[in-house]
Amino acid sequence: DIQMTQSPSSLSASVGDRVTITCRASQSISNYLNWYQQKPGKAPKVLIYAASSLQTGVPSRFSGSASGTDFTLTISSLQPEDFASYYCQQTYSTPMYTFGQGTKLEIK
Amino acid sequence: EVQLVESGGGLVQPGGSLRLSCAASGFTVSTNYMTWVRQAPGKGLEWVSVIYSGGSTNYADSVKGRFTISRHNSKNTLYLQMNSLRTEDTAVYYCARASWIQQFYYFDYWGQGTLVTVSS
Repeated sequence: DIQMTQSPSSLSASVGDRVTITCRASQSISNYLNWYQQKPGKAPKVLIYAASSLQTGVPSRFSGSASGTDFTLTISSLQPEDFASYYCQQTYSTPMYTFGQGTKLEIK
Repeated sequence: EVQLVESGGGLVQPGGSLRLSCAASGFTVSTNYMTWVRQAPGKGLEWVSVIYSGGSTNYADSVKGRFTISRHNSKNTLYLQMNSLRTEDTAVYYCARASWIQQFYYFDYWGQGTLVTVSS
């Protein structure tokens, strides 16, 4: 099975900061990588699909990139509403749509 | 407007059964890939099961042989029948629709979740 390892598991940052979250796949998954945002008590929301494609309606401060088996979610300038948990998900090895363990982004 | 509304969660004893429902509106369940994802308290997301538009199904190893995903086309509703429940099945269960562009899948609409607690 493909394992997805996110880092860091938690992160403290300030409004306006540039933040990067990384997800590493245990084997090649091409660009079959999605990013989700989840706020407490709410369902996840897709931000990025296919590693770098921005879902409709998601602010442009969110971006995704890929390099080999490493994937990055970048928030260019943190806004108060961005403090949440973030999860990566691989869809290469269907139907095992594995999620990473998550990154909790907190206010510094 | 696309909406997914789960129901059926609750408290059940170990070894018991429960059936979750996910009523959809704004799209047709039977022509989409539909999934269940769960989240144990304070933990991350775990994919549970999928039913494809053609009707075939798949399950995570952790629930294989105990859970059954199905749909009722005329009710436009997705189900998850959960048998032989274990304490480790305690979680919020979300239904979600899978969409795709080219060959890239992602879960674009989610329900609000329903809590299943397995405890004696």
